[in-house]
Amino acid sequence: QLQLVESGGGVVQPGRSLRLSCVASGFIFSKHSMHWVRQAPGKGLEWLSVISQRSDRTFDADAVKGRFMISRDDAKNTLFLDMTSLRPDDTAIYYCARESEAGPFDYWGQGTLVSVSS
Amino acid sequence: QSILTQAPSASGTPGQRVTISCSGSDSNIRSNRVHWFQQLPGRAPNLLISNTNQRPSGVPDRFSGSKSGTSASLAIDGLQSEDEADYYCETWDDSLNGHVFGTGTRVTVL
Repeated sequence: QLQLVESGGGVVQPGRSLRLSCVASGFIFSKHSMHWVRQAPGKGLEWLSVISQRSDRTFDADAVKGRFMISRDDAKNTLFLDMTSLRPDDTAIYYCARESEAGPFDYWGQGTLVSVSS
Repeated sequence: QSILTQAPSASGTPGQRVTISCSGSDSNIRSNRVHWFQQLPGRAPNLLISNTNQRPSGVPDRFSGSKSGTSASLAIDGLQSEDEADYYCETWDDSLNGHVFGTGTRVTVL
């Protein structure tokens, strides 16, 4: 069945970097745009980044522009989020999500927790 | 903070109708399709309504969506205990060139 599994979260010091991964299965990964969304503890959802099919285009939220970079490896059915210059307010659960052919995020991973603390 | 505004909370007794509003602007809700997500406690979000008023397979027909101008709404007709969750609207914003989520509404079944 269709599955998205994130990994790479953990505790990291402010200013350091971290790479998140999202492995997809059960669908043709290369045919879908993919997104990262995060949720700080007790807060709402915040969209971060999208990468189109074939990595033609990416868009990032202002909050992470220049610090986070989304990428994909279609051969490995894997989505990445490279996070640099991490700050305490980047502490959140990070979800990857698939964009359906009709537009909305129709499948989500279970999330991976990133905690930025000294 | 989000540019899509939702009331922080809503509540009702079992069987009642509950409506959640999502207020935006010309660059987002008026111009683009709106989607709604349900997030049960401790779980990832789940697509509830797509393209303003379409229910994905498996979503009960007591959930419905609508849009008028710069606002969108989600209605739950016949509230049930399992509907206790957080609900978020979402759309694309032409000015930001990015997706935006609403602030979220927590629904409580009394």
